[in-house]
Amino acid sequence: GNSVTQMEGPVTLSEEAFLTINCTYTATGYPSLFWYVQYPGEGLQLLLKATKADDKGSNKGFEATYRKETTSFHLEKGSVQVSDSAVYFCALIGGSNYKLTFGKGTLLTVNP
Amino acid sequence: GAGVSQSPSNKVTEKGKDVELRCDPISGHTALYWYRQSLGQGLEFLIYFQGNSAPDKSGLPSDRFSAERTGGSVSTLTIQRTQQEDSAVYLCASSFGQGAETQYFGPGTRLLVL
Repeated sequence: GNSVTQMEGPVTLSEEAFLTINCTYTATGYPSLFWYVQYPGEGLQLLLKATKADDKGSNKGFEATYRKETTSFHLEKGSVQVSDSAVYFCALIGGSNYKLTFGKGTLLTVNP
Repeated sequence: GAGVSQSPSNKVTEKGKDVELRCDPISGHTALYWYRQSLGQGLEFLIYFQGNSAPDKSGLPSDRFSAERTGGSVSTLTIQRTQQEDSAVYLCASSFGQGAETQYFGPGTRLLVL
């Protein structure tokens, strides 16, 4: 079946530091890949997505590239802000499916 | 426009009681999903609706769980004879279509079973 593995948290960074959150996946067919974010006290929001190999999703300074050869979709941001503090979830929809399969989430805390 | 809304936002119930959780999807979205978020299990898929029919109920954890959708809009998730392990945040999402279409999530209902 489908599965997503993302780096264990928590991750604590200083403002303006570089962020990487690793995500790898196992899926049949050609999945679509997503990063969702959950800010404190708020619901899940889509951060970015990529639907085919070598696509790069980007939003709010965050980027992730769909790497089929390494089955990875790592999230990066060049300079984090305090307002980026949240839980980040990597997820996929596999093949002709429709259900999101999520990783366990990574808590990011950015200190001023 | 309005996003996905869910009610109640919080629900405390006693073990053995039945609960109903409601979801109002974004207008025009034909697909509706229920997920559960718990500390031990992370985010799990429960059920998917396309229109009023549920082609995939595979994630429902037991026959105490059921869901329906009426008028291609509002959905209700019912848990009968609640158990303590049912305590979790129940999330509803909707999308315009399926596949890679973005799923928009509601704020969730936090259920606590005492």
